[in-house]
Amino acid sequence: QQQVKQSPQSLIVQKGGISIINCAYENTAFDYFPWYQQFPGKGPALLIAIRPDVSEKKEGRFTISFNKSAKQFSLHIMDSQPGDSATYFCAALIVNDYKLSFGAGTTVTVRA
Amino acid sequence: NAGVTQTPKFRVLKTGQSMTLLCAQDMNHEYMYWYRQDPGMGLRLIHYSVGEGTTAKGEVPDGYNVSRLKKQNFLLGLESAAPSQTSVYFCASTPQGWNTEAFFGQGTRLTVV
Repeated sequence: QQQVKQSPQSLIVQKGGISIINCAYENTAFDYFPWYQQFPGKGPALLIAIRPDVSEKKEGRFTISFNKSAKQFSLHIMDSQPGDSATYFCAALIVNDYKLSFGAGTTVTVRA
Repeated sequence: NAGVTQTPKFRVLKTGQSMTLLCAQDMNHEYMYWYRQDPGMGLRLIHYSVGEGTTAKGEVPDGYNVSRLKKQNFLLGLESAAPSQTSVYFCASTPQGWNTEAFFGQGTRLTVV
């Protein structure tokens, strides 16, 4: 049973549009929430991460929004570019534990 | 290039055969992990190691064994491969936990027929 539920499974967005990926969790002990980006044939790479004491974090065109009371967090990709086409995974961790729990992944396709 | 290297990149096995996947990192990281990636299921932790000579079970350890005899290497073994083990396997390493820098290998695509 996945501890982090991710949606949608896939999405298509036009160049310049906004991509939004949502994740939800149940375990309130989670205290670190990273997002990973994976290109075909490659391993995942850390994109951006947030802790639950922060409601939003922005790095360039990528923003994480975090809602602690709803136990939800989301990734927004602003001004989406064809180079952003990849699979995105949300994840959650209890920092003193070693087991990073991944969502099922969202394949983003940006049409030129 | 520094990072995590997985060997082999592709392999086809017959049911019942055995094999070992090698993960090597040259960053002196303490922690290493083996994940499997299946469509619609994300990445699931098979085994992990928090230091040389130590290993522990993850979410889906059945059918796999691991060893960490040297700090830089983490081996994943399949003693008797089954079609259910067809997957893409990823190794990762971190200096300490996941809230530090993390690096994944490029993956091993394994097909069991």
